[in-house]
Amino acid sequence: DGGITQSPKYLFRKEGQNVTLSCEQNLNHDAMYWYRQDPGQGLRLIYYSQIVNDFQKGDIAEGYSVSREKKESFPLTVTSAQKNPTAFYLCASSMVGQGAYEQYFGPGTRLTVT
Amino acid sequence: GENVEQHPSTLSVQEGDSAVIKCTYSDSASNYFPWYKQELGKGPQLIIDIRSNVGEKKDQRIAVTLNKTAKHFSLHITETQPEDSAVYFCAASEHGTASKLTFGTGTRLQVTL
Repeated sequence: DGGITQSPKYLFRKEGQNVTLSCEQNLNHDAMYWYRQDPGQGLRLIYYSQIVNDFQKGDIAEGYSVSREKKESFPLTVTSAQKNPTAFYLCASSMVGQGAYEQYFGPGTRLTVT
Repeated sequence: GENVEQHPSTLSVQEGDSAVIKCTYSDSASNYFPWYKQELGKGPQLIIDIRSNVGEKKDQRIAVTLNKTAKHFSLHITETQPEDSAVYFCAASEHGTASKLTFGTGTRLQVTL
């Protein structure tokens, strides 16, 4: 089965702790993305990566970090510097190049920080 | 950067009626406009998309129209069914080596019996 997996589905952390969200894809896509979703605000881009060992900041990168050591994996770390980390986090992937547009989304991770 | 506005935020229709969701975008360089459907607790799924070289695209009960001059595009769902109830997002992207999408704020569609 090809697709994107995110784990865990629910994650609870205490304030001040860093937490890493997992995203894996077996679609052989070059590009991967992280979005944050809050009620009434749609999806906002945190980071994206077009190729291994390279990534770019999205619109709301402050307080987050990523790595792209493997094509299949794009983990997101929510650091203690993120002021309001409680949200639904979505990972996506897509092909790269001419005519490559569609982003495929994972099932998401709901992070609650108290 | 790109800004996408989406209306209405909520929409309630009776089963069998049509539903229309509208979006506007700001960047005239945008050339790809997907629509995603998100069910509760799940990730969004692409339902239809349109590129700037066409004005309309249809897939069974779903259609999308694009007006490049006015910078707006719309999703039309005909003969709505209860399983169409979900949150719908529009998005816009300028073609590049990766599709950096800017999303609208979503429309919660409820189809009542």
